[in-house]
Amino acid sequence: GQQVMQIPQYQHVQEGEDFTTYCNSSTTLSNIQWYKQRPGGHPVFLIQLVKSGEVKKQKRLTFQFGEAKKNSSLHITATQTTDVGTYFCAGPFTGTASKLTFGTGTRLQVTL
Amino acid sequence: GAVVSQHPSRVICKSGTSVKIECRSLDFQATTMFWYRQFPKQSLMLMATSNEGSKATYEQGVEKDKFLINHASLTLSTLTVTSAHPEDSSFYICSASGYGVSNQPQHFGDGTRLSIL
Repeated sequence: GQQVMQIPQYQHVQEGEDFTTYCNSSTTLSNIQWYKQRPGGHPVFLIQLVKSGEVKKQKRLTFQFGEAKKNSSLHITATQTTDVGTYFCAGPFTGTASKLTFGTGTRLQVTL
Repeated sequence: GAVVSQHPSRVICKSGTSVKIECRSLDFQATTMFWYRQFPKQSLMLMATSNEGSKATYEQGVEKDKFLINHASLTLSTLTVTSAHPEDSSFYICSASGYGVSNQPQHFGDGTRLSIL
């Protein structure tokens, strides 16, 4: 079945350092979505990328969708303690528009 | 933005109890609602997809008689964990997609932390 893997599983950085999480799908995706889940919380939608090679920015966050639409990345510049949480990518189930397969997630810890 | 309310936020109960979790879309019509389960430090696993007025579609390995889903209106879906046992302890999260546009992001409820003693 469809698999969406993320690396690394966990990263611990000092505040001010950059962070990147990579997302790889076993199948081509019509779109990729990114979510952030704070400890004890629920996933919060960050962004959706649709076009091959698309790059979008939200303040210190930069999202990329690969040319083959099978991989994506999220880069955070100059992390802050408020960035702590688990970042998930998610893509639609093959053949469906709405059901999502979530990636394995990358847990980010930021310390002063 | 779209708001999804999930209730209760936490349940602690004895083994054998049935637990009902409600998921409501407060400011939009949810044509589809999704139920996920998340174990500690793991990803979200889709359990079932619920469409208003029709039977839910369950993912492989999810027991439909164990996890009863009802989607009676465009704003409410319920998940009932029947005769819950300790292995059913988990974080259950619903999400909803709005009416119309495909690929619309899912809006998540706050989740229900279920602990079976």
